[in-house]
Amino acid sequence: SQQGEEDPQALSIQEGENATMNCSYKTSINNLQWYRQNSGRGLVHLILIRSNEREKHSGRLRVTLDTSKKSSSLLITASRAADTASYFCATAQGGSEKLVFGKGTKLTVNP
Amino acid sequence: ETGVTQSPTHLIKTRGQQVTLRCSSQSGHNTVSWYQQALGQGPQFIFQYYREEENGRGNFPPRFSGLQFPNYSSELNVNALELDDSALYLCASSPEGGGYGYTFGSGTRLTVV
Repeated sequence: SQQGEEDPQALSIQEGENATMNCSYKTSINNLQWYRQNSGRGLVHLILIRSNEREKHSGRLRVTLDTSKKSSSLLITASRAADTASYFCATAQGGSEKLVFGKGTKLTVNP
Repeated sequence: ETGVTQSPTHLIKTRGQQVTLRCSSQSGHNTVSWYQQALGQGPQFIFQYYREEENGRGNFPPRFSGLQFPNYSSELNVNALELDDSALYLCASSPEGGGYGYTFGSGTRLTVV
């Protein structure tokens, strides 16, 4: 079963604009990770934020985590057409650190 | 460093048949996980192998089985294929359990007819 829920399901913006995607989850986690997937192929790891962290940056990406609300957000600044993809949040749970994914946000960046 | 490679990339099987999917983990990674991704859905955890031992299993029936070899490569076997097994199967590797994020392969697209 899916635990994470991304919001919105789809997002269309113009190049240069910022894109914000949100993720909610239900149980306690070890960490939360964001992945990108192009055209139904493999996932690319973007960023990992641990449960004791509140904010993390990587290049044009900014991730926040609020464990009290069980939610996270991914901000992509100054978006490019190449950012067009599906974005998934995944919570890492348990000793095996298995990933539980949401259904993803489909981002379209128009040139 | 090499990434995760999966083979084959595409496969068509008939209902009731058996299939084996293969995965070579990234150099230095001893943890391999398998995920099933149906169209329009997020990936679902099948199982994980750590140093050749199963280290966690998702909600999949026993006809889904796996193996990890001493070089940390892995196989996913599915017996008695059903139409609903049609999906993208993803392999992901990580150093020491996954607390560093996973490297995913490009997947095997399995179609059961």
